[in-house]
Amino acid sequence: QQPVQSPQAVILREGEDAVINCSSSKALYSVHWYRQKHGEAPVFLMILLKGGEQKGHEKISASFNEKKQQSSLYLTASQLSYSGTYFCGKGMRFGAGTRLTVKP
Amino acid sequence: DTEVTQTPKHLVMGMTNKKSLKCEQHMGHRAMYWYKQKAKKPPELMFVYSYEKLSINESVPSRFSPECPNSSLLNLHLHALQPEDSALYLCASSQGQGLNEKLFFGSGTQLSVL
Repeated sequence: QQPVQSPQAVILREGEDAVINCSSSKALYSVHWYRQKHGEAPVFLMILLKGGEQKGHEKISASFNEKKQQSSLYLTASQLSYSGTYFCGKGMRFGAGTRLTVKP
Repeated sequence: DTEVTQTPKHLVMGMTNKKSLKCEQHMGHRAMYWYKQKAKKPPELMFVYSYEKLSINESVPSRFSPECPNSSLLNLHLHALQPEDSALYLCASSQGQGLNEKLFFGSGTQLSVL
């Protein structure tokens, strides 16, 4: 029932871009994205409610394709502060997470 | 006030002890959640309370007993835990229990069972 995320881990240099994918084998009516920094609680980034909807948070944006039952998170010109684990959520349940490390 | 407050931040207990975790929010949220998170894993849903009634129990062992005394408070009573129960326990709240609700998380209680 949990969504599936890929990749499991990403290492970037500052300024590089990354994409994190989230998909579901069952109908996906909305997608949540959260970020959890090491030793901290997960923090809500955004929710996508409609197919094709795109939203942004700082230089992080996301898209949602309801027909394909998938969402993608785009991190543009990454900053050190983007490091953490990103979870997509289907309601109150989360995917396995993608660990993002941004290096100087 | 947009905080979810959890106490204690750290807890060490023996397998025969009884302890409680506490969670509090003053945002007027009507849904509250307990999650268990192991290192390098996602938060795993344990219980959901909606309007102070238990609405979801994810087949959690009875050694974990949730309680919602009022709309602002959520407790998790622990008894006869096992070492494998050692984890970060996160509390969260949301306006309602719908699939589109944004979750606000507390900073968690790091539990060690010896």
